[in-house]
Amino acid sequence: DAGVTQSPTHLIKTRGQQVTLRCSPKSGHDTVSWYQQALGQGPQFIFQYYEEEERQRGNFPDRFSGHQYPNYSSELNVNALLLGDSALYLCASSLAWVGNQPQHFGDGTRLSIL
Amino acid sequence: DAKTTQPPSMDCAEGRAANLPCNHSTISGNEYVYWYRQIHSQGPQYIIHGLKNNETNEMASLIITEDRKSSTLILPHATLRDTAVYYCIVRESNFGNEKLTFGTGTRLTIIP
Repeated sequence: DAGVTQSPTHLIKTRGQQVTLRCSPKSGHDTVSWYQQALGQGPQFIFQYYEEEERQRGNFPDRFSGHQYPNYSSELNVNALLLGDSALYLCASSLAWVGNQPQHFGDGTRLSIL
Repeated sequence: DAKTTQPPSMDCAEGRAANLPCNHSTISGNEYVYWYRQIHSQGPQYIIHGLKNNETNEMASLIITEDRKSSTLILPHATLRDTAVYYCIVRESNFGNEKLTFGTGTRLTIIP
């Protein structure tokens, strides 16, 4: 049973460019959450998708957007990249509205902005 | 902001029990305590969670004080593979769609 998979594993971009990161949730999960982890810090919640809609959002600008597809996979898009966007981007999947549900994380995409 | 306080780092000898403390003095009655760990270059891994009772699974034990203002994660026989950053998280519900608010965690180093 495959867990959460993310692609690509590493990515290098320059300032001002746009990037798309992809996530496939664990089998049977319907909810995808995205987190940003800067070096030496804990992950910070970006937003969450359920039923193809953004349901919750953390304190991130509109440059960060996402999408969820009918098969529950998800994308994170970041426009007008800044140096400060360099981080590990983590995807977590879970089952919404079901008790005792931990979020399961992928190993992330490491994004470097030059 | 994270609702928990953890020591930034701890060491533990291999084979001994590792006891990781967490302070969550402002926890409310319906909030859960979750523990995750993150091994270098990997995503966070779920360990255990609880509401008010002590919990045990194949990875660890969670001891929550009676007033719920603090808890301790116990790894009974630490191995080198337990070296990681451990995050204690207070979560409003145990539903899958409830977000996680991470702090900076405790860096646990297992010493051979």
